[in-house]
Amino acid sequence: DTEVTQTPKHLVMGMTNKKSLKCEQHMGHRAMYWYKQKAKKPPELMFVYSYEKLSINESVPSRFSPECPNSSLLNLHLHALQPEDSALYLCASSDTPGQLYEQYFGPGTRLTVT
Amino acid sequence: TQLLEQSPQFLSIQEGENLTVYCNSSSVFSSLQWYRQEPGEGPVLLVTVVTGGEVKKLKRLTFQFGDARKDSSLHITAAQPGDTGLYLCAGFEDEKLTFGTGTRLTIIP
Repeated sequence: DTEVTQTPKHLVMGMTNKKSLKCEQHMGHRAMYWYKQKAKKPPELMFVYSYEKLSINESVPSRFSPECPNSSLLNLHLHALQPEDSALYLCASSDTPGQLYEQYFGPGTRLTVT
Repeated sequence: TQLLEQSPQFLSIQEGENLTVYCNSSSVFSSLQWYRQEPGEGPVLLVTVVTGGEVKKLKRLTFQFGDARKDSSLHITAAQPGDTGLYLCAGFEDEKLTFGTGTRLTIIP
């Protein structure tokens, strides 16, 4: 099973809402990632989790809060977002942190902030 | 910040034609990957190149990593409609993958 699943597929939220994005993989990968992709742009790295610990935060605003409850799950908690945060949020995983392996991407959550 | 510039940004060609996409950076990367992304999906890995000067072939796709490990190219022979998609190069350094600006390829039947 080489699948990374993400829920929900689509999310519309107001600027005062709190919501969470979920990502799951069962490949035994120990590195997990959150990316943000704006329309017609490449993915931009937000966070990296290595062995369930946050290892890289690319200066992401605190209204985005990642969480890794266990080695298979990755959450992204959203609070007080702005309309410019509307984007496709991609989760990915790879075998070993710090080493170049294939990153397996989920289909993404398309987020719209109103 | 390491930047990867891809050219062309958009490319629309007839089925059966050949094409080349370029990926250039001012920085050296320890390795480079090419991904393809289709609408509504995440990127899917096509190839990884790690040695300067390396050439890899994947059916009709040929990938080359520059000698100085700062640039790469993707050549497609006899393009088919199934090749349509967003092609992304990505450089790996300091535990991070940095994506290029992307090339949106459309193959017209």
